[in-house]
Amino acid sequence: GEDVEQSLFLSVREGDSSVINCTYTDSSSTYLYWYKQEPGAGLQLLTYIFSNMDMKQDQRLTVLLNKKDKHLSLRIADTQTGDSAIYFCAEKKVDSNYQLIWGAGTKLIIKP
Amino acid sequence: DGGITQSPKYLFRKEGQNVTLSCEQNLNHDAMYWYRQDPGQGLRLIYYSQIVNDFQKGDIAEGYSVSREKKESFPLTVTSAQKNPTAFYLCASSIDPVDTQYFGPGTRLTVL
Repeated sequence: GEDVEQSLFLSVREGDSSVINCTYTDSSSTYLYWYKQEPGAGLQLLTYIFSNMDMKQDQRLTVLLNKKDKHLSLRIADTQTGDSAIYFCAEKKVDSNYQLIWGAGTKLIIKP
Repeated sequence: DGGITQSPKYLFRKEGQNVTLSCEQNLNHDAMYWYRQDPGQGLRLIYYSQIVNDFQKGDIAEGYSVSREKKESFPLTVTSAQKNPTAFYLCASSIDPVDTQYFGPGTRLTVL
């Protein structure tokens, strides 16, 4: 199975908070990343968290890391139509030459 | 204007032909990467280069080739040996292999 797992879809109402979840398997991971991909475009780095942190906040984005459960989440406050995209979670593993292991991506759908 | 450029944005190829995808960066990054993206899947690493004149195979290198003769350029050739080349190809770079990866806008390759 995949090392990094995400739900494929999330639907939220405009103005609500979105919470995108990700589970990973390797406790030796150093950094965990969230990237955003709009249709037909490349990946845009949103935020990242070092594995010795529990939480990181950056404007509307909050990342929570639960190392015990190997669970990472991205919360987007006050979700807007411009947040509609695919969100990828990725872990950087020390023991695989620092390569990124990617989730399949979660498509965030905004309802008016 | 610093960044990573990929060209062309769309590419069509007949079966049996080789094709080369361009990736250029002016960020003075040492490391560069090529990924393949298929619908509903995470990114898969094709090749990576940690420094000029050096590159390594990723998880799905068969049917692809690369070169890294200049720091700013990392072209990818999709050969006729690649059995299912239709995909979205993403190039990325980072200051060094440990640091955060930044992505270009991608090239969509369609084999007719």
